[in-house]
Amino acid sequence: EVQLLESGGGSVQPGGSLRLSCAASGFIFSNYAINWVRQAPGKGLEWVSAITGSGDTTYYADSVKGRFTISRDNSKDTLYFQMNSLRADDTAVYYCAKDKEYSSALGKIDHWGQGTLVTVSS
Amino acid sequence: DIVMTQSPDSLAVSLGERATINCKSSQSILYSSNNKNYLAWYQQKPGHPPKLLIYWASTRESGVPERFIGSGSGTDFTLTISSLQAEDVAIYYCQQYYGTPTFGGGTKVEIK
Repeated sequence: EVQLLESGGGSVQPGGSLRLSCAASGFIFSNYAINWVRQAPGKGLEWVSAITGSGDTTYYADSVKGRFTISRDNSKDTLYFQMNSLRADDTAVYYCAKDKEYSSALGKIDHWGQGTLVTVSS
Repeated sequence: DIVMTQSPDSLAVSLGERATINCKSSQSILYSSNNKNYLAWYQQKPGHPPKLLIYWASTRESGVPERFIGSGSGTDFTLTISSLQAEDVAIYYCQQYYGTPTFGGGTKVEIK
């Protein structure tokens, strides 16, 4: 059974940093691109970042480019998201989400974690 | 970025009746080399992450009931729930993956 378990969320002041993690199991982690998708309270879904299975290519939404960094450690089946210079509008539940297709990226998502809440407030 | 526009924002349908959700992309998401539309539909229930229902605009994900039907091509797409059940109450999102992924704003489906 595919499982994605996010951690690292919490409350932080504007300008601060957080590092999210996503521990994966139930599939060959290195074969699949993984995404971060966020959802502000009461709002819709926003794709924010993705990384290929090998980790050699990363993608970012304009809203986070230059502030957030996605990475992965395939030896630990874990995805990371370093979030710097946080702003109030970054407040959201952050989902770790797996691409459906082998060796693809920026595709449809077939498994999602339960999400971790990031709150940016003074 | 490709903008995805869903309509309506919400709808209320009687049990057993048809629910229709529309999704329009700001440019064609039909890839000519494989004749596939790069569109997915997701269902999200309160307090839960989204669930993939449909991809390639009309291919049902494994385990998804047959009452969920995806259709359309190019820039205009539809998700139809042919006979609404109580467990279908949720917010539905379309997503394009032709370019950098973007989601529609969501459509809330309720029971009338």
